[in-house]
Amino acid sequence: GAVVSQHPSRVICKSGTSVKIECRSLDFQATTMFWYRQFPKQSLMLMATSNEGSKATYEQGVEKDKFLINHASLTLSTLTVTSAHPEDSSFYICSASEAGFHTEAFFGQGTRLTVV
Amino acid sequence: GQNIDQPTEMTATEGAIVQINCTYQTSGFNGLFWYQQHAGEAPTFLSYNVLDGLEEKGRFSSFLSRSKGYSYLLLKELQMKDSASYLCAVKDSNYQLIWGAGTKLIIKP
Repeated sequence: GAVVSQHPSRVICKSGTSVKIECRSLDFQATTMFWYRQFPKQSLMLMATSNEGSKATYEQGVEKDKFLINHASLTLSTLTVTSAHPEDSSFYICSASEAGFHTEAFFGQGTRLTVV
Repeated sequence: GQNIDQPTEMTATEGAIVQINCTYQTSGFNGLFWYQQHAGEAPTFLSYNVLDGLEEKGRFSSFLSRSKGYSYLLLKELQMKDSASYLCAVKDSNYQLIWGAGTKLIIKP
């Protein structure tokens, strides 16, 4: 099946610094990538949807200036958590889809972010 | 609003059968997905239903009734490694995935 690579898998950063998370589709062109956040024992929460070459669409309540998303190519999307705070500590997961309404979403391995 | 409901937690015995239900109310329907998620890992794809009926894949089967807004995931011959959360997700009219909160399945020996 299709492969989506996400890294880093774990990152610890100091409060106030920025962290960049990369999501790559390795063997298909991802026209759409999704970024999710998951707190312990809770479901996936969609943060934003990004389409290659255009601005990301953020879900209500997600600060676009804090969570910067760039989808510059059909194989790479990045999420940058700016000025991170301890409450941003969470599990961040990306997923990617090819064009086509029935295609499944392929998930990256996830990134465990801890802000200290 | 859009809503997907599944039980929070279920317990079953190794070797037995368990059925995890999912009901949905979404703006449009373009398919229903089941994913498995182990703690601390990303979800992995299990099944996809877009037409009514049963889809069988090894020990796992998934059923869909669009008129009832209902699906279930059936797991047979349960193994300890099946202990995980099972997520139901529906693609709405905008082809966006709407996720359920997940069902934590606990397998006991």
